[in-house]
Amino acid sequence: GAVVSQHPSRVICKSGTSVKIECRSLDFQATTMFWYRQFPKQSLMLMATSNEGSKATYEQGVEKDKFLINHASLTLSTLTVTSAHPEDSSFYICSASRWDRHYYEQYFGPGTRLTVT
Amino acid sequence: EDQVTQSPEALRLQEGESSSLNCSYTVSGLRGLFWYRQDPGKGPEFLFTLYSAGEEKEKERLKATLTKKESFLHITAPKPEDSATYLCAVQEATGTYKYIFGTGTRLKVLA
Repeated sequence: GAVVSQHPSRVICKSGTSVKIECRSLDFQATTMFWYRQFPKQSLMLMATSNEGSKATYEQGVEKDKFLINHASLTLSTLTVTSAHPEDSSFYICSASRWDRHYYEQYFGPGTRLTVT
Repeated sequence: EDQVTQSPEALRLQEGESSSLNCSYTVSGLRGLFWYRQDPGKGPEFLFTLYSAGEEKEKERLKATLTKKESFLHITAPKPEDSATYLCAVQEATGTYKYIFGTGTRLKVLA
C-alpha cells in the first residue's frame, strides 16, 4: 500500500510554455500533498503544501503565480509551471500524506524531470 | 530555527564493512523522524519512522535508532545494492505537518 504516482516522468518544453505535472495517491486518500524541488546532489526543497479543497500554502521565496497548485480531489494534486524558463529545469517530486496513529507519514512519487530549452 | 544536519556528506564502504549514518536535529518539538532511501533519478523510498527517544527499528541490514537530539542509521555488512542517498526528515509536533529534510548522506558500497 501507499503508492504515489507522478505523470509525466520526463518532460521537455520550450521557454515560455506551461507544463502540468500530476501527482496521484493510488491506494489511499490524501488530504495533504506536498511538492518539492530537487537540484543535483542536493536535498529536497519544499515548495508548497497542497490541501484538498483549499488554496496551497507556499514556502517563502516560491512564486505562487509561477507554480500553480490545484488539489482537486483526495487522490490528485497538480503542479503547473507557467511561462517556464531554463532556470525552472529541475527534478520535481510530490508526496502524499497519510495518518499513521501518531503522525502523518509522507509517501513520495517517482519524480518528474523537467527540462526547459 | 529548526534544523536537520546529516553526516557524513558522503561515505564509501567496502562490502561487509558496517558503519553508521548520523542525523542531528533541532526542533521545538518532535512528532516524528523519518528515514528515506533515494536512488538517482527516483523519488525517496520510505524506510523507517521513529517518534520517541529510545525507539529502534530494523529492516534487513538497516537499523534506525533515536535519541532526543539525533538519530543513527546503522548499516550492517552492507552490499553494493545498498548504495544510495539516505535522507532523514523531521516533523514538528505543532503547526503544519511538513517535513524538514537533511541534506542526505551519499553512500557507495564497493564490491
